[in-house]
Amino acid sequence: EAAVTQSPRNKVAVTGGKVTLSCNQTNNHNNMYWYRQDTGHGLRLIHYSYGAGSTEKGDIPDGYKASRPSQENFSLILELATPSQTSVYFCASGDSWGGVGQNTLYFGAGTRLSVL
Amino acid sequence: GDSVTQTEGQVALSEEDFLTIHCNYSASGYPALFWYVQYPGEGPQFLFRASRDKEKGSSRGFEATYDKGTTSFHLRKASVQESDSAVYYCALGDRGNSGTYQRFGTGTKLQVVP
Repeated sequence: EAAVTQSPRNKVAVTGGKVTLSCNQTNNHNNMYWYRQDTGHGLRLIHYSYGAGSTEKGDIPDGYKASRPSQENFSLILELATPSQTSVYFCASGDSWGGVGQNTLYFGAGTRLSVL
Repeated sequence: GDSVTQTEGQVALSEEDFLTIHCNYSASGYPALFWYVQYPGEGPQFLFRASRDKEKGSSRGFEATYDKGTTSFHLRKASVQESDSAVYYCALGDRGNSGTYQRFGTGTKLQVVP
């Protein structure tokens, strides 16, 4: 069964500290994504990747970096965490079904991040 | 840029009621449209998609029809159950300079009481 695993599941960080959120997928999907979920905003795309070594900016990339060292792993990095980055973060992998923009996303269970 | 709008933030129904959650999109061409469902403590799960005008997507008793004329993809279910209580997201498939991604609406929380 398709699996996307996020770690840690919960994280408390201090303002100005560095935070790394990790994501591993066993789906062998080329595409991977990082979204954040906030009340009133739904899911917003931070960064995405279409293959190992690639990262692309999404709609809200400021303050975040991403790294895709392998097909299976995709990390989200907050170099200088701020309280405004307190949120729930979801990683997803995407299959290659159909044409452009038609692929199904498979989400992990999320990471709850609090920046104090 | 392309976007989807969900007008209801929350919907409260009784079991066996008819459900409609509205989703309208703004995009050129024929973007793929999706519905996802999220249960408490979990990530969103794919429900179904449609990619052509008048195409109907369906799963688990839920359905939606792609309507290019009204730029809509409303989610409907004839008779909801308490187990349908969840957050429902409408999404639109889009393409960047490289790769493909989805943009999500703000979500609609459905609460079904027995």
